[in-house]
Amino acid sequence: DAGITQSPRHKVTETGTPVTLRCHQTENHRYMYWYRQDPGHGLRLIHYSYGVKDTDKGEVSDGYSVSRSKTEDFLLTLESATSSQTSVYFCAIRAGQGENIQYFGAGTRLSVL
Amino acid sequence: ILNVEQSPQSLHVQEGDSTNFTCSFPSSNFYALHWYRWETAKSPEALFVMTLNGDEKKKGRISATLNTKEGYSYLYIKGSQPEDSATYLCASPSTGTASKLTFGTGTRLQVTL
Repeated sequence: DAGITQSPRHKVTETGTPVTLRCHQTENHRYMYWYRQDPGHGLRLIHYSYGVKDTDKGEVSDGYSVSRSKTEDFLLTLESATSSQTSVYFCAIRAGQGENIQYFGAGTRLSVL
Repeated sequence: ILNVEQSPQSLHVQEGDSTNFTCSFPSSNFYALHWYRWETAKSPEALFVMTLNGDEKKKGRISATLNTKEGYSYLYIKGSQPEDSATYLCASPSTGTASKLTFGTGTRLQVTL
């Protein structure tokens, strides 16, 4: 599993509340990614990080922020959750510097009611 | 945003059938093409990374070919088994950077006895 842990694995929250998802890795990888998975859309990149305090937006970043204060943790925050953010969220790491093979965490299922 | 397309969306075959599906991507500024396998309730797992025109990769009964000039890759499964049932995703580095992958929406394969 490339040493990737996502928490929580499941969460139910209400519209308008803040939510933070955590991705933790144990192998000191530089690149980390947050994706969301929705029916008919496959995996879409939300944000990614290429080092401590270095982050960039993906294709669906609106309504999300991220932080990476240490190499092993990449946090995804929904400042004010909306029902459209109900999804399964996957964290991934990039193995090595060459071909960008990504290894994924187990996913977090988030329901916003 | 890079346009990566997969067809068909879904496929239902009998055990023992051979099958194939397609990933299309822009042929200009090609860098690499990834295939991932994603079983239900699990995380995506990398199958192949292909970089050279004419590349052919094989893993057991699964193989893939690459045509960078015309912008497509085929994934073949020989003698499908029920354990091959999964969604198969292709992905290519996003325009301008190899650090981000753009995923297609996947081909969902179901193999029945």
